[in-house]
Amino acid sequence: DTAVSQTPKYLVTQMGNDKSIKCEQNLGHDTMYWYKQDSKKFLKIMFSYNNKELIINETVPNRFSPKSPDKAHLNLHINSLELGDSAVYFCASSPQGTYNSPLHFGNGTRLTVT
Amino acid sequence: SQELEQSPQSLIVQEGKNLTINCTSSKTLYGLYWYKQKYGEGLIFLMMLQKGGEEKSHEKITAKLDEKKQQSSLHITASQPSHAGIYLCGADDQYGNKLVFGAGTILRVKS
Repeated sequence: DTAVSQTPKYLVTQMGNDKSIKCEQNLGHDTMYWYKQDSKKFLKIMFSYNNKELIINETVPNRFSPKSPDKAHLNLHINSLELGDSAVYFCASSPQGTYNSPLHFGNGTRLTVT
Repeated sequence: SQELEQSPQSLIVQEGKNLTINCTSSKTLYGLYWYKQKYGEGLIFLMMLQKGGEEKSHEKITAKLDEKKQQSSLHITASQPSHAGIYLCGADDQYGNKLVFGAGTILRVKS
């Protein structure tokens, strides 16, 4: 059973389009995250939710809007895609924040904007 | 904000050789995590270190935490091709709300 699953795995789209990435975890965790990994492999947090409540919004453009319908799901919607949005987006979860608790990551969604 | 510096950025070793990767924090470490990433895959959790002087091992990988130096090291003994990948260190921010990551160390093992 996959613990943290993301769809799609690959996403190729043109500039200006709107796209969504879905994430689901079956670990019973309360906290979920979106991280962005750029071409240099640098991993940076974008958002975190705890039990459907937004905890962190790390100065991400308004074009990015996370939605958590329940604590097992955290989706990421991106409007008006730009070339610079090309990256790998990782969803992760943890029981309750990160203190003394590792994050469990999905396999990532590779977004390519042309 | 907290920053983690990893060294070296990349490493090529001959199979069977030992190697060490370092992770140094700009601020106090509350919890230090090591992850491994293979191309096209997610991050696999390796080890978590919480206390100064703590040392953990899993198979041929050992991680240590030096709280005073705000530094952790990851040591691989007798490297194998299966050890190849990107190793990332991550640290708790002081509020336990997020992990901040280093830039990663790319490891290649030549057989």
